[in-house]
Amino acid sequence: NAGVMQNPRHLVRRRGQEARLRCSPMKGHSHVYWYRQLPEEGLKFMVYLQKENIIDESGMPKERFSAEFPKEGPSILRIQQVVRGDSAAYFCASSPTGVETQYFGPGTRLLVL
Amino acid sequence: DAKTTQPPSMDCAEGRAANLPCNHSTISGNEYVYWYRQIHSQGPQYIIHGLKNNETNEMASLIITEDRKSSTLILPHATLRDTAVYYCIVRTNNAGNMLTFGGGTRLMVKP
Repeated sequence: NAGVMQNPRHLVRRRGQEARLRCSPMKGHSHVYWYRQLPEEGLKFMVYLQKENIIDESGMPKERFSAEFPKEGPSILRIQQVVRGDSAAYFCASSPTGVETQYFGPGTRLLVL
Repeated sequence: DAKTTQPPSMDCAEGRAANLPCNHSTISGNEYVYWYRQIHSQGPQYIIHGLKNNETNEMASLIITEDRKSSTLILPHATLRDTAVYYCIVRTNNAGNMLTFGGGTRLMVKP
């Protein structure tokens, strides 16, 4: 059973560009969480989604960040007009339901030049 | 969710048991204790969780005190590959409850 997949694993963007991070949950999991880890800091929750629904986005920055989890395909975390402060590791986790253990992917490391 | 307190760092000799403590004195009755670890630059890895009873799996054992105010994660025979940051997290199992990561314990396993 494949684990949580994230791609790309590394992403380099120039300031002002858009970044799209993809997360494919484990088979049978319909709940996805995104977390961000800034350099030398702990992981911070960003958003929780079920298929076609955003359930909790209390950790998302108010501007430039959005997330979706369509009926078909991976969950996408989108960052518009990236700035240097967006450089971080972005991890997604999935669970079968919202109450089960969360399993993490390997992360996407975003570097903004 | 209740807050947890962990020592910032610990050392352990290879082959010996690593005992990682965690205090969660404000834990409530429906909150579970979860342990994850993060090996450098990798995604957090789930280790074990429990509510009241001690738990054991192929990776580790979790000992929860009777009053549930503290717990200990035990790696019975630590190897160099167990060097990582270990996070103790308390959460309910309500729908959508996110994980709140603290600073964790940086475990260094030495030859």
